[in-house]
Amino acid sequence: GAGVSQTPSNKVTEKGKYVELRCDPISGHTALYWYRQSLGQGPEFLIYFQGTGAADDSGLPNDRFFAVRPEGSVSTLKIQRTERGDSAVYLCASSLIPAMYNEQFFGPGTRLTVL
Amino acid sequence: GQQLNQSPQSMFIQEGEDVSMNCTSSSIFNTWLWYKQDPGEGPVLLIALYKAGELTSNGRLTAQFGITRKDSFLNISASIPSDVGIYFCAGLLFQGAQKLVFGQGTRLTINP
Repeated sequence: GAGVSQTPSNKVTEKGKYVELRCDPISGHTALYWYRQSLGQGPEFLIYFQGTGAADDSGLPNDRFFAVRPEGSVSTLKIQRTERGDSAVYLCASSLIPAMYNEQFFGPGTRLTVL
Repeated sequence: GQQLNQSPQSMFIQEGEDVSMNCTSSSIFNTWLWYKQDPGEGPVLLIALYKAGELTSNGRLTAQFGITRKDSFLNISASIPSDVGIYFCAGLLFQGAQKLVFGQGTRLTINP
């Protein structure tokens, strides 16, 4: 079956611009997660959705970052006034139910480069 | 915030050798997980550990959840070329937690 998909796979933008990154979770998965992975590092948690609502957004670095999941399926991570330090791979993951632990299935990521 | 310290950062081994890597933390974790990431892909779960002292195998992989709940190790026996990649430990702080905390990764390179 189809896994988690993310678009675009690569995004190059200029400092100060606005970008949107999209995540399509596995069909039927109610939980969705965004992580950011800088070069040579492990992924860092940004935000977690249960259904349409953000259950934990404690990892968002500042108010330039915002994410939505209006219909409880597709999610969009939005970054305003991008900075060079925002350059990283943005990973999305989904899981079936947020029970004691359900495996988080990761997408291939979107590589964001801010020039 | 919570950090997982993973070692070694990189390993260069011969095909057929066994591999061992570990992960430590100053915080107690409820669940430990080991992931593998190939270039251009997201991490894929290899093994999940739920109880202190638990030893779990998945084919040639073996992982243990430390008794103190502050460490874990992953062993790979008889390495093969497709084992090349970056291995991450990750933890969940408490039951029901959804935020994965990742280590910095161990990059494994295998010489045929």
